[in-house]
Amino acid sequence: EVQLVESGGGLVQPGGSLRLSCAASEFTFSTYAMSWVRQVPGKGLEWVSIITAAASNTYYADSVKGRFTISRDNPKNTLYLQMNSLRAEDTAVYYCAKGVRSGGWYFDYWGQGTLVTVSS
Amino acid sequence: DIQMTQSPSTLSASVGDRVTITCRASQSISSWLAWYQQKPGKAPKLLIYKASSLESGVPSRFSGSGSGTEFTLTISSLQPDDFATYYCQQYNTDSTWTFGPGTQVEI
Repeated sequence: EVQLVESGGGLVQPGGSLRLSCAASEFTFSTYAMSWVRQVPGKGLEWVSIITAAASNTYYADSVKGRFTISRDNPKNTLYLQMNSLRAEDTAVYYCAKGVRSGGWYFDYWGQGTLVTVSS
Repeated sequence: DIQMTQSPSTLSASVGDRVTITCRASQSISSWLAWYQQKPGKAPKLLIYKASSLESGVPSRFSGSGSGTEFTLTISSLQPDDFATYYCQQYNTDSTWTFGPGTQVEI
């Protein structure tokens, strides 16, 4: 069974930085695009970023462009999200998700999420 | 950017009911639409992709239809395990992917 396990969330002050990780297993990580999707507690889902299988392309939501960087380490089966210049509105549960290419990408497996709280 | 809307935002139903949720896109997305189910405190679960293709392992009471700008998710006979929030997601574009605001199915 595909497993995605996020880590790295926590409390950070506005303007601070945080790096999230997502450890993947039970599938060939290097052949799939991977994405981050976030959810403010009690609210809806917001797509954040996606990286293609070989890391040749990355895409970002306008709300995080220039502040967040997605990356991956295929030999380590790990996805990352470097978050800089954090704002209160970045407070959310961050999910990593495995992408399926079909037109654009939809997401067939999700991790359990890690909570990021931006507050002074 | 393509905007997604869903109706209703909340739906009250009973076990055994036939339930239909509508998702609309601000421009044509062909059949590039997925549906997810999310329960409180849990990650979303993929139900339907490409508007009408049932994900492996998902019960056949779930079905999807539509193309262009209007799509529906139907649950043919609501079961106790189906009380959850349902989201649509467009994946037409190659640069942004957007979710609908969600429909909460409650008793």
